[in-house]
Amino acid sequence: SYELTQPSSVSVSPGQTARITCSGDVLAKKYARWFQQKPGQAPVLVIYKDSERPSGIPERFSGSSSGTTVTLTISGAQVEDEADYYCYSAADNNKVFGGGTKLTVL
Amino acid sequence: EVQLVESGGGLVQPGRSLRLSCAASGFTFDDYAMHWVRQAPGKGLEWVSGISWNSGSIGYADSVKGRFTISRDNAKNSLYLQMNSLRAEDTALYYCAIGDFDYWGQGTLVTVSS
Repeated sequence: SYELTQPSSVSVSPGQTARITCSGDVLAKKYARWFQQKPGQAPVLVIYKDSERPSGIPERFSGSSSGTTVTLTISGAQVEDEADYYCYSAADNNKVFGGGTKLTVL
Repeated sequence: EVQLVESGGGLVQPGRSLRLSCAASGFTFDDYAMHWVRQAPGKGLEWVSGISWNSGSIGYADSVKGRFTISRDNAKNSLYLQMNSLRAEDTALYYCAIGDFDYWGQGTLVTVSS
């Protein structure tokens, strides 16, 4: 099996750019997805294929990849973006989520 | 509109069994793989099990292998998780999810305690 490593927390002020990283060897050869989870709610897909944004997700959400690290960027973070964010990837039959990053916007 | 509704959770004693269900609507169920993902209280997401559209490919996390069984009934647009030999560490909110986790249900809570 493999692991995906995220920082436990990131904090920004409203309007600033938030960057959340996810690292793991599998990311060098497999795409990553990012999920947003607000308290008491189910996760929501915000990025797939490293950098693609599903319909309905605001343009301020973007993703990038470099080697074994993928990054979720929220440009001009808003208070409503405060949530837990999880990266995810899969190789063969192993499907792994990162440990999650709590984004605080205040 | 895609809808996934989990049911079957509850309080169960260690060593006992429970069967979860996920009723799907709003999409062509038998076009997609389906998964179960769990989240222990205050913890992160953990993939539990997945099943291909025709049940031909099935996978489990090491933590549940040999105890949990995933299945689906495409005629009923339903996904199931049979959980046997439950342990305290299986306590979690169990979500079903479609495809590559494109959509998730709201989850059903399983509590394993004596």
